[in-house]
Amino acid sequence: NAGVTQTPKFQVLKTGQSMTLQCAQDMNHEYMSWYRQDPGMGLRLIHYSVGAGITDQGEVPNGYNVSRSTTEDFPLRLLSAAPSQTSVYFCASSYSRTGFNEKLFFGSGTQLSVL
Amino acid sequence: AQKITQTQPGMFVQEKEAVTLDCTYDTSDQSYGLFWYKQPSSGEMIFLIYQGSYDEQNATEGRYSLNFQKARKSANLVISASQLGDSAMYFCAMRDREGSSASKIIFGSGTRLSIRP
Repeated sequence: NAGVTQTPKFQVLKTGQSMTLQCAQDMNHEYMSWYRQDPGMGLRLIHYSVGAGITDQGEVPNGYNVSRSTTEDFPLRLLSAAPSQTSVYFCASSYSRTGFNEKLFFGSGTQLSVL
Repeated sequence: AQKITQTQPGMFVQEKEAVTLDCTYDTSDQSYGLFWYKQPSSGEMIFLIYQGSYDEQNATEGRYSLNFQKARKSANLVISASQLGDSAMYFCAMRDREGSSASKIIFGSGTRLSIRP
């Protein structure tokens, strides 16, 4: 069982560079989301998607783009990386987009450093 | 607006003692779900327990229980008989719709629990 797969696990960027964090799930989950984790701030929601072709902003969307062309994939794009985007990024998914009892399944995280 | 507040950045507890981790939330929805996750030093996120807003009984899962006080909008996690392996970050989370057709989940800032032998 692959579950939620995130790549890469580690990445170092220079300010202004662009990159895409990949996230894929093989559980046919409707709901997918991206969080960033910073010390003292917990996990903050960046963007989320409730199905192919449907995305919405979370708490901290600025500087990030997402798209959802398939049910399985939900990539996160940094168009012009900034040091403030240094963080640990988690992708997470759940089966239903509406159920309140639907827990999240998490990827293993990506540690991103922007110099 | 959705908000989760965890007011204890860090806690130290003696092994075998019980510990309560605080969580308060804010939502305008009547229907919502509350979750607790554990993050050990390895970094993975582990689901611990769930409580629905209409559940009349407090949720329990082994040594974990959720002290749900709806009127106070609090959802505290209680760990009984703590073990060294309980040392980790603990996050409270809430899922609601905020008027949308779909629900999303937000997290609190977390509590770092350290168990002393």
